[in-house]
Amino acid sequence: QSALTQPASVSGSPGQSITIPCSGSSSDIGSFNHVSWYQHHPGKAPKLMIYEVSNRPSGVSNRFSGSKSVNTASLTISGLQAEDEADYYCMSHTSSDTYVFGTGTKVSVL
Amino acid sequence: EVQLAESGGGLVQPGGSLRLSCAASGFTFSPYWMGWVRQAPGKGLEWVANISPHGSANPYVDSLKGRFAISRDNAKSSLYLQMNSLRVEDTAVYHCVRWGVNYGIDYWGQGTLVTVSS
Repeated sequence: QSALTQPASVSGSPGQSITIPCSGSSSDIGSFNHVSWYQHHPGKAPKLMIYEVSNRPSGVSNRFSGSKSVNTASLTISGLQAEDEADYYCMSHTSSDTYVFGTGTKVSVL
Repeated sequence: EVQLAESGGGLVQPGGSLRLSCAASGFTFSPYWMGWVRQAPGKGLEWVANISPHGSANPYVDSLKGRFAISRDNAKSSLYLQMNSLRVEDTAVYHCVRWGVNYGIDYWGQGTLVTVSS
């Protein structure tokens, strides 16, 4: 199972919106709505930001939103803030009943 | 407060074995799927394995089948990962994780570092 494909880096200015795509296949993203997104500040434990494509856990800012189209999922961060600077990973359930992460995207706030 | 505390990491030679443990607290352990996720130095996150609440189902990433074994002891609220025939490329921080009800990982441990080197 190959990792899902994400851009290595995405940047934006404070207040702007950015979108991180996560490209998979019909065997993972395209098969289920079991896509989640994680924010990872180096040295800290990753944090669940989105589950089941577009749902936010309690306590996660509504500036974070998720969507999916066919085999590609996306995470959008609106109103970008300095604290959003981190690594972001998508993850999907697969048709083999395993899980696969994306390659990871470093978000920089200019 | 949910806490997942890993232990058992360290330096091991190629071909060696290690057993990681994860002590869970702050929640009722037995109903939850649990798992392990690793991150090699400078690399991304990699799902390793999961285990069902009663241990009857335990999917693994294909590349690790036959070398790693996940298990749990619900009476001790503990999760384990037995790692055999270790390779240099298994060097990583190994995180114990709890799966929520919605196919997402809702809690992560801080991780334990495994270094495979001669």
